[in-house]
Amino acid sequence: IAGITQAPTSQILAAGRRMTLRCTQDMRHNAMYWYRQDLGLGLRLIHYSNTAGTTGKGEVPDGYSVSRANTDDFPLTLASAVPSQTSVYFCASSDVGGGNEQFFGPGTRLTVL
Amino acid sequence: QKEVEQNSGPLSVPEGAIASLNCTYSDRGSQSFFWYRQYSGKSPELIMSIYSNGDKEDGRFTAQLNKASQYVSLLIRDSQPSDSATYLCAVMENDYKLSFGAGTTVTVRA
Repeated sequence: IAGITQAPTSQILAAGRRMTLRCTQDMRHNAMYWYRQDLGLGLRLIHYSNTAGTTGKGEVPDGYSVSRANTDDFPLTLASAVPSQTSVYFCASSDVGGGNEQFFGPGTRLTVL
Repeated sequence: QKEVEQNSGPLSVPEGAIASLNCTYSDRGSQSFFWYRQYSGKSPELIMSIYSNGDKEDGRFTAQLNKASQYVSLLIRDSQPSDSATYLCAVMENDYKLSFGAGTTVTVRA
């Protein structure tokens, strides 16, 4: 079934640890995105990639890094997690130029203690 | 500062009624507009997209866009308990990035 998968589903992490959230899509979309969703703040863009090999910063990029080695995968890394990074993280993808509709993965609930 | 504002909720409507959701945006150059539905604990699900002024209907949902007034709305006709969710307005600027509103929570009373 076509779509976006994210792993892990949830994670509890000690502050200072490194963590990579995985995202894979099989729709051959050229663009991918990472958002965090916090109560009262809505969805905020962390990083994005319009095509494989390129990435860009969103609204809240500090403390996060991404890479886009191929079309399908877009991992998000927290180099040294802090409690303020406790959130629900959503990966999304879109076909830029083809309606630009973004489709979301199921999310990863991350708790940093 | 690009902003997307939604009418504050929660919005409670009786079953069978029309739920009306409103959204305004600040960037006059915005080209694409979307409504997402998000059930509690789930990811946002795209339910409507609209690109030109006027109305767009899809089943019980109607999106309305007025670029001159920088206003987009969503009507849910014959509301059902299964429509109870948070509805997110999203606006795309020229750089293909989406800006989201904070969402309006709708509760449909049986």
